Parts: sequence; C-alpha cells; structure tokens
Amino acid sequence: QSALTQPPSASGSPGQSVTISCTGTSSDIDNYNYVSWYQQHPGKAPKLVIYEVFERPSGVPDRFSGSSSGNTASLTVSGLQAEDEGIYYCSSNTGTNNYVLFGGGTKLTVL
Amino acid sequence: EVHLVESGGGLVQPGGSLRLSCVASGFTFDNYWMNWVRQAPGKGPEWVAHIKHDGSEDYYVDSVKGRFKISRDNAKNSLYLHMNNLRADDTAVYYCARTPGNDAFDIWGQGTMVTVSS
Repeated sequence: QSALTQPPSASGSPGQSVTISCTGTSSDIDNYNYVSWYQQHPGKAPKLVIYEVFERPSGVPDRFSGSSSGNTASLTVSGLQAEDEGIYYCSSNTGTNNYVLFGGGTKLTVL
Repeated sequence: EVHLVESGGGLVQPGGSLRLSCVASGFTFDNYWMNWVRQAPGKGPEWVAHIKHDGSEDYYVDSVKGRFKISRDNAKNSLYLHMNNLRADDTAVYYCARTPGNDAFDIWGQGTMVTVSS
C-alpha cells in the first residue's frame, strides 16, 4: 500500500489560516473515520493534534481543526502562530493487517 | 505524568539482531494496545507492529513479518521489539506509542535510533 498523499509544503503569515490536504483511497480515508494528524518539530517525536477526523486531544488549541470528504482529509490551522511551524503528517486506518498508513508530510512555514 | 521511554537502539550489521525496550509510566499500561512506529531519516512515520492489552494478539507491517517480534510484560510496564535479520532499510528512529482504541497514537516516546550498516 502506498503512503497517503500530502503536499510537500504550505505557508502562511501570522494570523492567517492554512489548510493541508491528505489524499487516500476508498480503502482508507473514504472508508473509515479514523484519520489523525500529527505535528512534528525537528528532533522531536510526533504529537497528536487531531484524531477521528476532527476531534482534538486535550491541550491542543481550537485553532486546529480537521475535516474529511470522500478520500481526502484536511487539517486547517487558523490564526497561525510561529510555534505552529513544523511538519504535519496525516494517518488513516486501512482496515487491513497493515493497520495504519501515514502521509509523507507537509512542512508548514509561518512567514 | 504519562511517559514512554525507549532504549536499546544502536549500530548493527546487516543480518544482525537487536532488542528494543520501552518502559511506560503514568498510566495503566495493560489497558492499552501498544505500538512500535519507525521513522527513517527525512521520511514520514511508518507503523511497524502492535500488540493487544494482554499480549494475546500481535500484528505487523508486511515488510517486517517473520523478522520482528513484539512482546510486552505488563508486570514491568514494558514493551519490547525483537528485531532479527536486520536490513539497511530498517534504519530509522523507533518510537513506542500508545493507542487509546481509536487508531491514533496519543502518546509517543522520545525514540531510539537503529542504524543498520556494515
């Protein structure tokens, strides 16, 4: 199975909103409501920011929101702040023994 | 506070073996499925294996089946990954991660680096 497809980069100015897409297939994103998003800073472990398409773990600001339509999921970061810079990865259940697929990552730059 | 701490990484020759360990604290370890997720340099994460709360079921990504074995010792709040016949493409940071039942990885360790090279 191929990784989920994400754009390699995204950017926005402080205070703006940016949306990152994640494209899968009918076997994963389009078939399950188990899409997650992770933020990773250099040299650190990924951090969960969205699970089950749009749910936020406690402690994650409501500036982070998720959605899904068909085989594409999206993460929107509103009111961009400098600390939002990093690489964002999506993931989805595959319903197979290969369990979870990740995307290749999108590097978010706050200009 | 919830913590996962991995250890056991290092440099190993192709065909060699290694055992990774992960110690959990701050939560009831045997209530959760546990995972190993790896990340090759400059790449996205890749789920490797997971194991049920009581150790009765375990599953693997195709590329490691027959070479890796995940296990746990709930009495020691510990998760393990036994890796055999290692290959260059197994080179990665290996993280242990907790799954609270929704296929998300909500807690990650700091990772341990495994380098397979002659």
